[in-house]
Amino acid sequence: GENVEQHPSTLSVQEGDSAVIKCTYSDSASNYFPWYKQELGKRPQLIIDIRSNVGEKKDQRIAVTLNKTAKHFSLHITETQPEDSAVYFCAASRSNFGNEKLTFGTGTRLTIIP
Amino acid sequence: DVKVTQSSRYLVKRTGEKVFLECVQDMDHENMFWYRQDPGLGLRLIYFSYDVKMKEKGDIPEGYSVSREKKERFSLILESASTNQTSMYLCASSSGGGGTDTQYFGPGTRLTVL
Repeated sequence: GENVEQHPSTLSVQEGDSAVIKCTYSDSASNYFPWYKQELGKRPQLIIDIRSNVGEKKDQRIAVTLNKTAKHFSLHITETQPEDSAVYFCAASRSNFGNEKLTFGTGTRLTIIP
Repeated sequence: DVKVTQSSRYLVKRTGEKVFLECVQDMDHENMFWYRQDPGLGLRLIYFSYDVKMKEKGDIPEGYSVSREKKERFSLILESASTNQTSMYLCASSSGGGGTDTQYFGPGTRLTVL
């Protein structure tokens, strides 16, 4: 089955600086890579996702890049703000548009230092 | 707005008890999932269901069973609770059937087994 590794497990960044979280996956057939954000005491929520036919996707201050050859994808947060403090999870699946399970990474606790 | 609800936020049970965790979604989603979340281990899939009365094992099904008698409701059953099943349990749903892959999570049930 799929195995997703996520690094680092914790990350502290000065407010205004950028943060990068990296994930690798093992199944070359995986084609859907979402990122979920979980604030303290709250449920995980999707913040951005990318499919294997795209190399990069941006949404305001967040972006995700995908390197299919290396089986590697990353989350980039620019101009970090205190509300970006949370646990971030990457995931991978062989998506058939809603009919496949997600395999999650172990999470990264991001702390923004004011 | 998708709403996924879980029957309890906190639950305390004794070793050997049979435990029922219930999840309900109100968006007519095809897919439903049960995860457990433990520090440093991320979100691990226990069971999932693509349709009523249908279930598939996830990555850690041992000690658990599930039931999906109605489309909107997915129950997780701990047949004989053990202390190593103390965890946060999260339910999720996704539209399936050609829809998006976005999984919507419930608020979680923190289960303590004494």
